[in-house]
Amino acid sequence: EAGVAQSPRYKIIEKRQSVAFWCNPISGHATLYWYQQILGQGPKLLIQFQNNGVVDDSQLPKDRFSAERLKGVDSTLKIQPAKLEDSAVYLCASSRIWSGRATDTGELFFGEGSRLTVL
Amino acid sequence: DAKTTQPPSMDCAEGRAANLPCNHSTISGNEYVYWYRQIHSQGPQYIIHGLKNNETNEMASLIITEDRKSSTLILPHATLRDTAVYYCIVRSGTSYGKLTFGQGTILTVHP
Repeated sequence: EAGVAQSPRYKIIEKRQSVAFWCNPISGHATLYWYQQILGQGPKLLIQFQNNGVVDDSQLPKDRFSAERLKGVDSTLKIQPAKLEDSAVYLCASSRIWSGRATDTGELFFGEGSRLTVL
Repeated sequence: DAKTTQPPSMDCAEGRAANLPCNHSTISGNEYVYWYRQIHSQGPQYIIHGLKNNETNEMASLIITEDRKSSTLILPHATLRDTAVYYCIVRSGTSYGKLTFGQGTILTVHP
């Protein structure tokens, strides 16, 4: 089974420029997540999709970040304009819809991430 | 979601058991305890989860206290490959199952 694919793996931009990250989840996974991980910190959830609808974007800085999941499969996360503090690894994860039952792991499968450096 | 408290770092000798504690004193009845780990430069990986019973799988064991206010992840025979950041997470059985990571515990396994 192919894993979660992300691209690009690395990106260096100057502040005020824009950048886009792409994620292809595991086939059949209805739920897709974007996390931001700043060096030395745990991943922070930016946005969670179920199929092509947003179920949580409470921590997404909507003045500069946007994300879409057209057709409920691939997703794109965009930052425009970038700031120095956006330097981080952007992790995409996918899972099946979690039933909430104890026997269902609800496991998230993560990609390798896209490392962004803003100069 | 309930918050968790973990020690920032721990050491363990190779071949010995690694016992990683987690405090989640405000956990509610429909919230699960999840453990993930993150090896350097990789995405987090699921280890185990539980509601109130102790759980074991091929990777680890999870011991949850009777009052559910704390838990311990046990790696029975730690190897160098187990060196990673370990995250204890309380996950709601509702609210689309959002997974909120904290700072985690850096486990270093020594030869």
